[in-house]
Amino acid sequence: EIVLTQSPGTLSLSPGERATLSCRASQAVTYTYLAWYQQKPGQPPRLLIYGASSRATGIPDRFSGSGSGTDFTLTISSLEPEDFAVYYCQQSTPSLPLTFGGGTKVDIK
Amino acid sequence: QVQLQESGPGLVKPSQTLSLTCSVSGDSITSGRYYWTWIRQHPGEGLEWIGNIYFSGKTTYNPSLKSRVSISIDTSKSQFSLKLTSVNAADTAVYFCATYTAYDACFDNWGRGTLVTVSS
Repeated sequence: EIVLTQSPGTLSLSPGERATLSCRASQAVTYTYLAWYQQKPGQPPRLLIYGASSRATGIPDRFSGSGSGTDFTLTISSLEPEDFAVYYCQQSTPSLPLTFGGGTKVDIK
Repeated sequence: QVQLQESGPGLVKPSQTLSLTCSVSGDSITSGRYYWTWIRQHPGEGLEWIGNIYFSGKTTYNPSLKSRVSISIDTSKSQFSLKLTSVNAADTAVYFCATYTAYDACFDNWGRGTLVTVSS
């Protein structure tokens, strides 16, 4: 099983600041198999990024993804009030199971 | 845009079988575009992939749950279903149905989720 470790657990920032979220895999993940999701309380996750760096439909360009191998990053260039949420990375390599990271909570400082 | 809606009992007794259904609208369940998926989230915790089914009936399960899980599809009703046997308190969670797009390797549509509590 590929374990995804997200850091930090909580990121306390102010609107307008830049957020950098990390996702580290226990084994190399082909970049095409890495996705990021945003989840707000009481809602299902929403797909933000797939293929490590491709934005999903309707996702603002302040969200960007990068990385390869075992290290991936989600960056929010300038936080908007609606961006305060929990973010999950997820991998889909052919080796089962598909797994999610433990999440990073971005909250208001 | 695919819409997904979970339905089923919100309370299940220990040792019994949890049964949920996901109704699909906005696209054909037989389109071949998606793997129809179940994911759960324990209260206050992260996400756990349970398994998925293709319109052909081919299933893939999380090895940690494989002995207790069954996912089926009813194309005539545009529904797919989850059965989890011998439940216990650790199966208390919000259960989501979702679509997995193999080409983009991501879960791109989600239902709102339904809370299932295991308790006597």
